[in-house]
Amino acid sequence: QSALTQPASVSGSPGQSITISCTGASSDVGGYNFVSWYQHHPGKAPKLMIYDVTNRPSGVSNRFSGSKSGNTASLTISGLQAEDEADYYCNSYTSSSSYVFGTGTKVTVL
Amino acid sequence: QVQLVQTGAEVKKPGASVKVSCKASGYTFTGYFLHWVRQAPGQGLEWMGWINPNSGDTNYAQKFQGRVTLTRDTSISTAYMELSSLTSDDTAVYYCARFTGSSSFDYWGQGTLVTVSS
Repeated sequence: QSALTQPASVSGSPGQSITISCTGASSDVGGYNFVSWYQHHPGKAPKLMIYDVTNRPSGVSNRFSGSKSGNTASLTISGLQAEDEADYYCNSYTSSSSYVFGTGTKVTVL
Repeated sequence: QVQLVQTGAEVKKPGASVKVSCKASGYTFTGYFLHWVRQAPGQGLEWMGWINPNSGDTNYAQKFQGRVTLTRDTSISTAYMELSSLTSDDTAVYYCARFTGSSSFDYWGQGTLVTVSS
């Protein structure tokens, strides 16, 4: 199972909105609404930001939102803040009853 | 509160095996699947497999089939990940993560650095 494809890096100024894409196939992202997103600061455990494509866990800022179209899922961060600078990973269930992560995106706040 | 506490860092020689533990607290251990994920230096997250702590059933990523074994001891609410035939490519931080009914990982261990070096 190949990793889902994400852009290596995305940047934005404070207050702006950015979108991170996560492209897979009909056997994973496109076939199931089981896409989740994780924020990962180096040296810390990943943090769940979005589950089941669009849902936000309790305690996660509403500046984070998720969507999906076809084989591509997206994470949008609005009102970008310095604390949002981190690595972000998508994850999807697959038709092989396994799970696969994206290649990861480094978000930089300019 | 939910906590997953993993063993400390390990240093192993090529060809050896490593066994990492993940002790759960703050919830019913047998009520949630546990997954294992690793991150090699400079690389992304990589899914390794899961264990159902209730039944002991497991499912492994094809890449690790035959080399990884997930087990658990329900009496002490602890899951284990054993990886054999280690090479330098297995140098990574290994995480356990609790899997929710919403197909996501809501709580993670702090990570265990495994270094493979001669």
